[in-house]
Amino acid sequence: ETGVTQTPRHLVMGMTNKKSLKCEQHLGHNAMYWYKQSAKKPLELMFVYNFKEQTENNSVPSRFSPECPNSSHLFLHLHTLQPEDSALYLCASSQDPGLAGETDTQYFGPGTRLTVL
Amino acid sequence: GQNIDQPTEMTATEGAIVQINCTYQTSGFNGLFWYQQHAGEAPTFLSYNVLDGLEEKGRFSSFLSRSKGYSYLLLKELQMKDSASYLCAVREDDKIIFGKGTRLHILP
Repeated sequence: ETGVTQTPRHLVMGMTNKKSLKCEQHLGHNAMYWYKQSAKKPLELMFVYNFKEQTENNSVPSRFSPECPNSSHLFLHLHTLQPEDSALYLCASSQDPGLAGETDTQYFGPGTRLTVL
Repeated sequence: GQNIDQPTEMTATEGAIVQINCTYQTSGFNGLFWYQQHAGEAPTFLSYNVLDGLEEKGRFSSFLSRSKGYSYLLLKELQMKDSASYLCAVREDDKIIFGKGTRLHILP
């Protein structure tokens, strides 16, 4: 158990559906992240939130919309996705964002396996 | 820009030693992480290096040479449970960039 939980673990949705992924961290960290992991590709950073403020948006299409109501919760709202968006979506948190050192270590949740039909 | 290279796959025998290499080219290096990821699971933190040299943690050790843009993860006394992907990640300025990972197969 890493202290970072994600729900749902698996999600199948059509291209016209709207769904949300949820992440919660119980580690008292200040930064939270969304990553996309596709087969045979490196982890792709999507969004970063530091102290509830979005500090990074890595050219992610607008059909992905993040929300961070507090430093413990992070959502990823999905709408009108494409089949190529099928992937494992990982949430992570770290203690001290932007501060070099081992405190920048990211702790990952188990991920949501998303399939878009 | 950034470029992180590591072998795609490696195979080793139970009880043996294996070294997984990672080379990187970044504009503002600020530390290197190694993560382990079992199939279908989340990555878990293994080690962090920011200064040159070897960091040892039990059966796992990680080495860094900043001048060469090179790191390796050394796994000793391999066990079947070590079968996993090993991700090299470099901190460039305020971003962490991941390599594609090395899938390690352990043979009995």
